[in-house]
Amino acid sequence: SAVISQKPSRDICQRGTSLTIQCQVDSQVTMMFWYRQQPGQSLTLIATANQGSEATYESGFVIDKFPISRPNLTFSTLTVSNMSPEDSSIYLCSAGKGGGYEQYFGPGTRLTVT
Amino acid sequence: GESVGLHLPTLSVQEGDNSIINCAYSNSASDYFIWYKQESGKGPQFIIDIRSNMDKRQGQRVTVLLNKTVKHLSLQIAATQPGDSAVYFCAEGWGAQKLVFGQGTRLTINP
Repeated sequence: SAVISQKPSRDICQRGTSLTIQCQVDSQVTMMFWYRQQPGQSLTLIATANQGSEATYESGFVIDKFPISRPNLTFSTLTVSNMSPEDSSIYLCSAGKGGGYEQYFGPGTRLTVT
Repeated sequence: GESVGLHLPTLSVQEGDNSIINCAYSNSASDYFIWYKQESGKGPQFIIDIRSNMDKRQGQRVTVLLNKTVKHLSLQIAATQPGDSAVYFCAEGWGAQKLVFGQGTRLTINP
């Protein structure tokens, strides 16, 4: 398994600003993922962050809005840019080890945009 | 406990009873399935997984059943405890090691 931490755990931001969320894994992992979860709803994959290459974004998510960095095998950041109230959500990162599908999740970052 | 059908958002069971949570998945090419438990304010926690070449897998107090014919997945929790109260998500995976999550079921354990 893997232990994943996220910072910040929550934040309240003004519209038009940007927030960068950090995700740290306690061991080296091949793949990291970023999800969004609206309150009371399921998880939606934003992008896959691979070390040494650009992130792969899912339909409906673009790099200009959600730039991602993956500088090494234990760390990734997601930036939510030019925020609007519609970006209020929980943002979760996860890590996948080896070649399987099993993913381990961080505790999430609760973002409120006013 | 009772089987409550597909995509039911909530399920309430008495403490000590068995519960069954159901999930319909979308992709017949999915070859890997996971059940996650998410408690309030926390990230999803891995419970159990199953590959498409299996139809049943057991863990501690949990059993996952896979019916590929009708693309149905279920999670059985035996002798439910208050700590089992959470939202349970099924997830399916194929190809690029991504997971697609189902809508989730909120399980409430009544004392």
